Amino acid sequence: SQQGEEDPQALSIQEGENATMNCSYKTSINNLQWYRQNSGRGLVHLILIRSNEREKHSGRLRVTLDTSKKSSSLLITASRAADTASYFCATDTQGGSEKLVFGKGTKLTVNP
Amino acid sequence: EPEVTQTPSHQVTQMGQEVILRCVPISNHLYFYWYRQILGQKVEFLVSFYNNEISEKSEIFDDQFSVERPDGSNFTLKIRSTKLEDSAMYFCASRGMSSPLHFGNGTRLTVT
Repeated sequence: SQQGEEDPQALSIQEGENATMNCSYKTSINNLQWYRQNSGRGLVHLILIRSNEREKHSGRLRVTLDTSKKSSSLLITASRAADTASYFCATDTQGGSEKLVFGKGTKLTVNP
Repeated sequence: EPEVTQTPSHQVTQMGQEVILRCVPISNHLYFYWYRQILGQKVEFLVSFYNNEISEKSEIFDDQFSVERPDGSNFTLKIRSTKLEDSAMYFCASRGMSSPLHFGNGTRLTVT
């Protein structure tokens, strides 16, 4: 598989439930980011976690990073219908490259 | 909050024609990028631009593509002779020295 693969590909939950999305990557990274994309819109930055961090919180978002397993998870607590969107992880690569490598994303549907 | 703006939102062109996609990055940002997303696929890095020159480009960014910052505010992507496979959403992004990427809402390019 390629750098930045999320699972599941699609997730459907009820409002108020928690949503967990996972991301795996292949190469060593400096940081990992999560982005959100509403249908037909641009990518909105949610949170960045550095390679020396294990967990980070922002509001209802909680991100974990396990560099030994090359994986990250995004937890959205107490989900709302407005959280319905696609969520992508994106990694940089060590070595000074400018580019972010995105996964295919998890399409989250929160049912009211 | 300042945002990256892209025009047009949708561009339809015939194969072989030249297109210019326009972006106005956030005004105090220094690093500029183009990414694209073919329908249903990953967001892919095309090119990064800093200090009035390309700093990195992907294999996708061949001789048919060029970027320009013609003045202090605009950042353009030109495709000289479009192919059917160039149909995609094209996202412009910018960032400051230590900030995450801010993306525009994209231009949907349809090549017929």
